[in-house]
Amino acid sequence: EPEVTQTPSHQVTQMGQEVILRCVPISNHLYFYWYRQILGQKVEFLVSFYNNEISEKSEIFDDQFSVERPDGSNFTLKIRSTKLEDSAMYFCASSLGLAGGGQETQYFGPGTRLLVL
Amino acid sequence: AQSVTQLDSQVPVFEEAPVELRCNYSSSVSVYLFWYVQYPNQGLQLLLKYLSGSTLVKGINGFEAEFNKSQTSFHLRKPSVHISDTAEYFCAVTTQGGSEKLVFGKGTKLTVNP
Repeated sequence: EPEVTQTPSHQVTQMGQEVILRCVPISNHLYFYWYRQILGQKVEFLVSFYNNEISEKSEIFDDQFSVERPDGSNFTLKIRSTKLEDSAMYFCASSLGLAGGGQETQYFGPGTRLLVL
Repeated sequence: AQSVTQLDSQVPVFEEAPVELRCNYSSSVSVYLFWYVQYPNQGLQLLLKYLSGSTLVKGINGFEAEFNKSQTSFHLRKPSVHISDTAEYFCAVTTQGGSEKLVFGKGTKLTVNP
């Protein structure tokens, strides 16, 4: 069964450093997402991406964040200058992108645990 | 804006007992409702979803949920749990005709004891 994969599973970085989190969505999916979960808190939406552009972003997704689909398979989240409060589990997800309007099932990867020291 | 409340952060039960995990939502517009499960070291997996029609929705692994519009609830149930059901369960909503953004509750950790 196709699945969303994410690398690395864990990442430790120093405050102020740039990190890139990588995701390989399910191959025929058109909609891609990033969510994060700070320890003990809710899973929060960061950004959605469709047709090579951001379709929606949350207030968390400020100028230090960016997303990219550099090739036909990868979907990346870059944090330019990490802060302590960026420590969280980051989940990538994808959906078919055909039904739209909130009906789609989103398929999640296992997450990348980011720790900023 | 939408919000989701899962009242129980942890639910311990014995094997073969029934379980109900509670979920309430708040929204000024109509919503679609989802339950996801996360097993240790894995991603979130869809258990079931309510889009329209019958308010009783059946999902994978013997779980079901009932949409109650008047009580703005979408509680998850299973009549007899197994050790393998030990996981974290997340309720989530999207707005009908709106964005694809899932709004999650805080999750309920279900622990099934022998």
